[in-house]
Amino acid sequence: KAGVTQTPRYLIKTRGQQVTLSCSPISGHRSVSWYQQTPGQGLQFLFEYFSETQRNKGNFPGRFSGRQFSNSRSEMNVSTLELGDSALYLCASSLGPTSSETQYFGPGTRLLVL
Amino acid sequence: DQQVKQNSPSLSVQEGRISILNCDYTNSMFDYFLWYKKYPAEGPTFLISISSIKDKNEDGRFTVFLNKSAKHLSLHIVPSQPGDSAVYFCAAGGKGGTSYGKLTFGQGTILTVHP
Repeated sequence: KAGVTQTPRYLIKTRGQQVTLSCSPISGHRSVSWYQQTPGQGLQFLFEYFSETQRNKGNFPGRFSGRQFSNSRSEMNVSTLELGDSALYLCASSLGPTSSETQYFGPGTRLLVL
Repeated sequence: DQQVKQNSPSLSVQEGRISILNCDYTNSMFDYFLWYKKYPAEGPTFLISISSIKDKNEDGRFTVFLNKSAKHLSLHIVPSQPGDSAVYFCAAGGKGGTSYGKLTFGQGTILTVHP
């Protein structure tokens, strides 16, 4: 079975721009979670989608948004980029629908904001 | 507040010996725990998990122990191999509601296994 895939792997943007990241979960997985990893804050939960519905959201500003499609693929969008948004963005998938399930991570998208 | 803590930033072990990585948590609502291994610029790789109803889970060279009263878990790797050198993250999740899809991670421990 193919693992979680994320595109693009690397991205360079400038302040004020917006960016869209994509995640394809493991086949059969219906839950997709997004995380941000930075050296200072570690791995932090952004939001989770299941069956095209956002079920949970972390403590991030409204500039961070996401969506999920009927095939469980997910996208996250960051608008009005700030320098502090530079990070590794990780997507993870699990079977759903319960909360106590193993999450499998993709390779991440490295975003650099200049 | 940091609900999951890995107090040792790094650990150095000789090949063939045991590696013990520790993790403490404060939220008594966590009901399952996982360990992930991570290389730089890659996503975390799942190693092993344990439910709060158990106190031990084994998978090959990896064993996780959970002490609920102490809110402490540990990962034992026996025997350690140079290929185990990576950053190890402890993560915790809860039940339903605000826990859907959310894992809370520790800050990680860098394990170095010397040949």
